[in-house]
Amino acid sequence: EVQLVQSGAEVKKPGESLKISCKGSGYGFSSYWIGWVRQMPGKGLEWMGIVYPGDSQTKYSASFQGQVTISADKSINTAYLQWSSLKASDTAMYYCARQYRSASESDYWGQGTLVTVSS
Amino acid sequence: QSALTQPASVSGSPGQSITISCTGTSSDIGKYNYVSWYQQHPGKAPKLMIYDVSDRPSGVSNRFSGSKSGNTASLTISGLQAEDEADYYCSSYTTLATRVFGGGTKLTVL
Repeated sequence: EVQLVQSGAEVKKPGESLKISCKGSGYGFSSYWIGWVRQMPGKGLEWMGIVYPGDSQTKYSASFQGQVTISADKSINTAYLQWSSLKASDTAMYYCARQYRSASESDYWGQGTLVTVSS
Repeated sequence: QSALTQPASVSGSPGQSITISCTGTSSDIGKYNYVSWYQQHPGKAPKLMIYDVSDRPSGVSNRFSGSKSGNTASLTISGLQAEDEADYYCSSYTTLATRVFGGGTKLTVL
């Protein structure tokens, strides 16, 4: 069974750093892209970027380029989304999702990680 | 890359059919057949309902169908059921080698 299990909810202060994770199981983790999607409170889905664990290739939405870093460690079947300096506007639910190709749909999704940034 | 345009809300009675539109540009929907649709119930992760414009993943009811004409894609749900009440999002691949979502449509089953 394909599963993507994300790390737990986080509460951080502005300016702090954060790295959240997404662990895949039940399929060849290195052969599928993992994407990250933001959903701010009461708002829609926003595609942030993707990583190919096989060679760590990444692609970012222009809106998120330079704001976050997406990475993966294929040895432990885990993808990451990280911030170096959080802002209150980063408060959102973040989902990871699997894609067969960089162009393709997201067929399996993680359960989401809620990030709250507040002073 | 601007978000794709969806109506904010649609509604229908049980048993009826509804269609949700998703309008993009010649740089996304108009150029590629990589349009997908997602259903999201409150507090839940999105679920893939349609991919490659009109294909259904295994396990998704055949009451859900997709199509595309020019820069606009559509999701049709026939035989509306109470459990279909949810938010629906379209998504497309773009010429920037990224994906973009629509703003989302809230479906109310009356």
